Amino acid sequence: DAGITQSPRHKVTETGTPVTLRCHQTENHRYMYWYRQDPGHGLRLIHYSYGVKDTDKGEVSDGYSVSRSKTEDFLLTLESATSSQTSVYFCAISGPRLADTQYFGPGTRLTVL
Amino acid sequence: DAKTTQPPSMDCAEGRAANLPCNHSTISGNEYVYWYRQIHSQGPQYIIHGLKNNETNEMASLIITEDRKSSTLILPHATLRDTAVYYCIVRGDTGANSKLTFGKGITLSVRP
Repeated sequence: DAGITQSPRHKVTETGTPVTLRCHQTENHRYMYWYRQDPGHGLRLIHYSYGVKDTDKGEVSDGYSVSRSKTEDFLLTLESATSSQTSVYFCAISGPRLADTQYFGPGTRLTVL
Repeated sequence: DAKTTQPPSMDCAEGRAANLPCNHSTISGNEYVYWYRQIHSQGPQYIIHGLKNNETNEMASLIITEDRKSSTLILPHATLRDTAVYYCIVRGDTGANSKLTFGKGITLSVRP
């Protein structure tokens, strides 16, 4: 398995609180991605990064921000969590090209009450 | 919107080959066929991908028809741990066309 870890693996929080999820890789891959998975929707891309401090939006980016200050870490922040952001969040990595195979982390299950 | 069509489910006996079909009749010349699987509650796991030639690795074989409009993922000796949702994905090799789009996949149940 690709060297990808996500933390925390489970989190329960309250509406309106900020939440940060972390993705850490040991593969030195250029690209990192955040997806969410919900029943009936499959995996949907939230944001991705193509290098340190270089990020772009995916198809469901509203309500989320990301940061990448080091190659190995990609953070996903929910500034003010809502119940609609209850989901399972997966990080993925690929590289050096955008079209290279993506490898996924184990996921973070987030519940917003 | 996914560019592939897969049956919703299938099953096979443990130890037998599992042949998972996928239709991708609108595939373009520079698009690859990727297969991932997702075991309950885990992250998607990459299995294999190919362009036009058949491919084999330690997990599976991928057979792509000559016209590239369909493919079959073969798990040669299915085990109970292969029970999962399998996703067939068509993906380009540049820019926005290289996005991974997961459809509903096919649920494979391996029975003892």
